[in-house]
Amino acid sequence: DQQVKQNSPSLSVQEGRISILNCDYTNSMFDYFLWYKKYPAEGPTFLISISSIKDKNEDGRFTVFLNKSAKHLSLHIVPSQPGDSAVYFCAATQSNKLIFGTGTLLAVQP
Amino acid sequence: NAGVTQTPKFQVLKTGQSMTLQCAQDMNHNSMYWYRQDPGMGLRLIYYSASEGTTDKGEVPNGYNVSRLNKREFSLRLESAAPSQTSVYFCASSEWGLVAGFSYNEQFFGPGTRLTVL
Repeated sequence: DQQVKQNSPSLSVQEGRISILNCDYTNSMFDYFLWYKKYPAEGPTFLISISSIKDKNEDGRFTVFLNKSAKHLSLHIVPSQPGDSAVYFCAATQSNKLIFGTGTLLAVQP
Repeated sequence: NAGVTQTPKFQVLKTGQSMTLQCAQDMNHNSMYWYRQDPGMGLRLIYYSASEGTTDKGEVPNGYNVSRLNKREFSLRLESAAPSQTSVYFCASSEWGLVAGFSYNEQFFGPGTRLTVL
């Protein structure tokens, strides 16, 4: 039973446009969420996070939104750049573990 | 700081062979983790060690064993490899804790080991 879901396996956007990556979760006890970025042949790297008392967290071109009532979070990248092309994983903290989604492959076209 | 290192980077095994994947971190983290990544499956936790001297099963522990050798090192062993264990394996470490009442757990990952079992 997948507790963290990323329903879009892939997304393609034009350079300069906004990329929106979505993530849904089922466990209302999750209180901290993270986004990781992964390039091919490398390990995932931390991108941005949000706690459940916030509905938005911004870091440069990256903004994460959290809608607790819908159990939904999204990552916005504005403007998108070709170097953003990677797999993005959302994750939720469960005690001392992370529960990961299945990932979304973002392709930013020049 | 090297962060999290893993050896080997690539490995090909025959069914039934055994091997150990090595992981070390230099960030003085208490917690360490082993994941596998398969297409369409995301990152699935195999085993973790919340602190030196403890290990616990994750989501997919069957066919694996782990050893937390010391605070720095956490190894993953396949006793009798099977084709279903063909995957990319990632080790991670973190300093898990409560921050302002929230379960903060930013994990740092190694570069991965690509394992093929024939």
